[in-house]
Amino acid sequence: GNSVTQMEGPVTLSEEAFLTINCTYTATGYPSLFWYVQYPGEGLQLLLKATKADDKGSNKGFEATYRKETTSFHLEKGSVQVSDSAVYFCALPANQAGTALIFGKGTTLSVSS
Amino acid sequence: GAGVSQSPSNKVTEKGKDVELRCDPISGHTALYWYRQSLGQGLEFLIYFQGNSAPDKSGLPSDRFSAERTGGSVSTLTIQRTQQEDSAVYLCASSLPASSRETQYFGPGTRLLVL
Repeated sequence: GNSVTQMEGPVTLSEEAFLTINCTYTATGYPSLFWYVQYPGEGLQLLLKATKADDKGSNKGFEATYRKETTSFHLEKGSVQVSDSAVYFCALPANQAGTALIFGKGTTLSVSS
Repeated sequence: GAGVSQSPSNKVTEKGKDVELRCDPISGHTALYWYRQSLGQGLEFLIYFQGNSAPDKSGLPSDRFSAERTGGSVSTLTIQRTQQEDSAVYLCASSLPASSRETQYFGPGTRLLVL
């Protein structure tokens, strides 16, 4: 089956710093790739997705590019804010039928002012 | 429009009791999923429903766990004879028919504490 490996944190940054959270995967075929975010005390929210190779997903200043050559989907943001403090999960379908998602272990981001 | 809703938001129970967790998917979503989020295990898939087809129960950790989906909409996850290791956040998600490209939308979760 498919698998995902995500950089573990915690990551602590000052406001306006540059953020990268690494995610690599193995997959059969070319499934969609996802980043989900979980704010304190809340459920999972879709942050962004990419559906095919070289696609760039973006939302709220975050970006991630579906890299087939390096099997990566790293999350980046040029200038983080305190409100970005959350746990970030990289995810992809567990199989070609897409009947379940598999998630990385999550990266906790703390941004201080 | 309304997102995925789950109830209760928090549940405290005593070891050995049964609990029922409810999920109401997004209207029009035929696929429904349950996941468990715990400190030690991260996010784990439990069960998947698609329409009236037989569910994929491959993620259920023991026969104490079961789920049903009535009328292709609301789902209930039941845990019998709860154990302390069942303490976790139980997340429900829904989507259009499952595929390797479809986005799953998650509810806020039910936080279960077994004393």
